[in-house]
Amino acid sequence: RKEVEQDPGPFNVPEGATVAFNCTYSNSASQSFFWYRQDCRKEPKLLMSVYSSGNEDGRFTAQLNRASQYISLLIRDSKLSDSATYLCVVNPSGAGGGADGLTFGKGTHLIIQP
Amino acid sequence: ETGVTQSPTHLIKTRGQQVTLRCSSQSGHNTVSWYQQALGQGPQFIFQYYREEENGRGNFPPRFSGLQFPNYSSELNVNALELDDSALYLCASSLVTGRLAPFETQYFGPGTRLLVL
Repeated sequence: RKEVEQDPGPFNVPEGATVAFNCTYSNSASQSFFWYRQDCRKEPKLLMSVYSSGNEDGRFTAQLNRASQYISLLIRDSKLSDSATYLCVVNPSGAGGGADGLTFGKGTHLIIQP
Repeated sequence: ETGVTQSPTHLIKTRGQQVTLRCSSQSGHNTVSWYQQALGQGPQFIFQYYREEENGRGNFPPRFSGLQFPNYSSELNVNALELDDSALYLCASSLVTGRLAPFETQYFGPGTRLLVL
């Protein structure tokens, strides 16, 4: 079983729609969770951290379900500029991110269509 | 912009050669992590350097080695290059207050794209 699993997509979504991604992780001891966004041929950029209580940043909402070991990202009122690959990221150790580094999923490719 | 810089941006090498990639961390950061991202995959953790020492390593062979300098910049060295080493190499910097301190956000540089022929 892969450590972090995501549906690779692509998700083709009309502009203005709401889209949701999920990912699952295998290490139940994982400490911190993130969504990164990666544009084509660019580096990953932090979109948001994910907390058990859920967190929202503008049109983006992230949720963590520790019992089921899944993480979700919801994008409302999608924009053309939201087209990118969204990487689900888990830090298994919680200690400086060092011992195990960050564990990335393969990413979900989102295409917003005009 | 994250303030993390990497050089060179692109590199072409042949099988068996050696390569050195460089990373300058964001001002105020003391830790550099290196990742390999093959086409269509998520980044894979290679290793991390904290206070000039390796502070964790992923599942990469010993021909992948690194250094961190007193100014917290870092190098990734790969010996005996193989075709499968062709990838985007990313470094990420963060501020860590101790080896067992809580995780701090990592910020990525633009990467070095390596092609091995």
